[in-house]
Amino acid sequence: DSGVTQTPKHLITATGQRVTLRCSPRSGDLSVYWYQQSLDQGLQFLIQYYNGEERAKGNILERFSAQQFPDLHSELNLSSLELGDSALYFCASSVSHRGIETQYFGPGTRLLVL
Amino acid sequence: AQKVTQAQTEISVVEKEDVTLDCVYETRDTTYYLFWYKQPPSGELVFLIRRNSFDEQNEISGRYSWNFQKSTSSFNFTITASQVVDSAVYFCALSEATDRDDKIIFGKGTRLHILP
Repeated sequence: DSGVTQTPKHLITATGQRVTLRCSPRSGDLSVYWYQQSLDQGLQFLIQYYNGEERAKGNILERFSAQQFPDLHSELNLSSLELGDSALYFCASSVSHRGIETQYFGPGTRLLVL
Repeated sequence: AQKVTQAQTEISVVEKEDVTLDCVYETRDTTYYLFWYKQPPSGELVFLIRRNSFDEQNEISGRYSWNFQKSTSSFNFTITASQVVDSAVYFCALSEATDRDDKIIFGKGTRLHILP
């Protein structure tokens, strides 16, 4: 158990809908990453937050948005869903010690868009 | 532009053999990070290592070792005395450490089969 939780574990929805994925980082970790893994696109970095602020942006679509709240949990909002958004969405939290970073992954949320 | 190439799509070795997974990267930056991740058949992702471009020392962690060579833009991963539990897909990744643009780019992964 990495200490990172993601909810829900599975999500089935229809095209055009909007969903919210939630990630709770390990206690004390300030940084949260979001990743998408699909058969077509492989593993992709979406976005990173650090202590509530956006830190880095990857291949995140405009239909997607994320935020990190004061309690450090993060949410990834996916709207106007398309079939191609079906994927496994992972979040990770990280801690750095003396310049050495370690990321801890949640179990992922499997999204199926029908 | 950033690019990560893992030329080995799939590798099979017999248990207890050593195996090296190759990773070649392209970047314009002098400051960047390199990563390796593991994804076992159960599907979870496991972070293995992050290496700063200024630190060219090889890293060893138990049976795992990483060889970082700037001259060849490679960051190879070796598993010594492989075990069946090492069977997984391994991803190499690169992040350019520029201001707010330090997004992470992944290779396509190498699927490693360790045969008993």
